[in-house]
Amino acid sequence: EIVMTQSPATLSASPGERATLSCRASQSVSSNLVWYQQKPGQAPRLLIHAASTRATGIPARFSGSGSGTEFTLTISSLQSEDFAVYYCQQYTTWPSITFGQGTRLEIK
Amino acid sequence: QVQLQQSGPGLVKPSQTLSLTCAISGDSVSSNTAAWNWIRQSPLRGLEWLARTYYRSRWYYDYAESVKSRITVNPDTSKNQFSLQLNSVTPEDTAVYYCARDPPGGSTIFDYWGQGTLVTVSS
Repeated sequence: EIVMTQSPATLSASPGERATLSCRASQSVSSNLVWYQQKPGQAPRLLIHAASTRATGIPARFSGSGSGTEFTLTISSLQSEDFAVYYCQQYTTWPSITFGQGTRLEIK
Repeated sequence: QVQLQQSGPGLVKPSQTLSLTCAISGDSVSSNTAAWNWIRQSPLRGLEWLARTYYRSRWYYDYAESVKSRITVNPDTSKNQFSLQLNSVTPEDTAVYYCARDPPGGSTIFDYWGQGTLVTVSS
């Protein structure tokens, strides 16, 4: 099983700041990487797929990069609605996909 | 706009069967390009993909190894929905269960999700 490790576990930042979240795979997943955002009491929301492709309706301040084992989600200028938990997910080992444990993005 | 509406009990006794249903609007369970999944989330195990079904001239089913001996997913074309049955549940199966669509494109990603059902396994 491919293990996805996200860091940091919690990131404190202020509105307007840039946030960088990391996701590392225990073996190469090529570009088969997804990012989700989850707010309390809600289902995850698809943000980025194929490591860097924004899903429909996702603002341009969200961007993804990386390939192989190292990936980054960047939020260029944090808005109040961006404070949430973010998860990465690999889909190289179909159908045995795996998720990271999440990064909580909190207001400083 | 695709919508997934979940239904089912929130409390199941140990050793019994957990049953949930996901009703689809805006797409078809018989779609030749989408797949229909169950995923759960718990503090202990995080997000865990459980199972999926999809139609490509015939029905296909995939299950996570961790639950393969206990799980069944069934499509219901007459009601445009699909269901989850998890047998012999234990308290470790306590989680929020989600249904989700894997869209056309050949990747196992999830673009539409149900609202989630908290299922507690307790006597």
